[in-house]
Amino acid sequence: DGGITQSPKYLFRKEGQNVTLSCEQNLNHDAMYWYRQDPGQGLRLIYYSQIVNDFQKGDIAEGYSVSREKKESFPLTVTSAQKNPTAFYLCASSIDRTSGKLYNEQFFGPGTRLTVL
Amino acid sequence: DQQVKQNSPSLSVQEGRISILNCDYTNSMFDYFLWYKKYPAEGPTFLISISSIKDKNEDGRFTVFLNKSAKHLSLHIVPSQPGDSAVYFCAASEGSGNTGKLIFGQGTTLQVKP
Repeated sequence: DGGITQSPKYLFRKEGQNVTLSCEQNLNHDAMYWYRQDPGQGLRLIYYSQIVNDFQKGDIAEGYSVSREKKESFPLTVTSAQKNPTAFYLCASSIDRTSGKLYNEQFFGPGTRLTVL
Repeated sequence: DQQVKQNSPSLSVQEGRISILNCDYTNSMFDYFLWYKKYPAEGPTFLISISSIKDKNEDGRFTVFLNKSAKHLSLHIVPSQPGDSAVYFCAASEGSGNTGKLIFGQGTTLQVKP
């Protein structure tokens, strides 16, 4: 089945450590996105990538880094520079450029709950 | 600056009645709007969308209305069912949608009582 997978579901890290969250999709989507959700808030965009080997900062990129070496994968690293990393992280993908559609909804993975101890 | 706002954090309705969720936006360049449904500890799932060239889009029990002059959209669920209880996010697309970038509201928690 096609879809987006995120691993792990729950992640714990000690303060001061870097941690990488995985996101893989087999939907042949060109674009991928990382969001963070905090209680009572909407989804805030961290980074996004429209094509392999290219990515742009979103609204809250500080303390995060990404790579896009393969179309299927868009890992997010939460660095020790992120001041408040405990949150629910969501990965999404969209836009199959071969589809010809002008507008494309984003499809989301199940999320990773990161807790900093 | 919050470009997409959902001013009601929560809404409670009786099963079988209509649920109306509201969303306001400030950026007149938004031209595509979406509603997502989210259960706790899960990713959002796409529900329904509308282009700015339309003022209404219907899909089964779900209808989205767009009032461009008021920069307001609403999601109507008729009839509401207990399984509709979730957090609903509205989102707007910048520009022509080629980047796929979405701006989300804060969400509204809907509770449908049996």
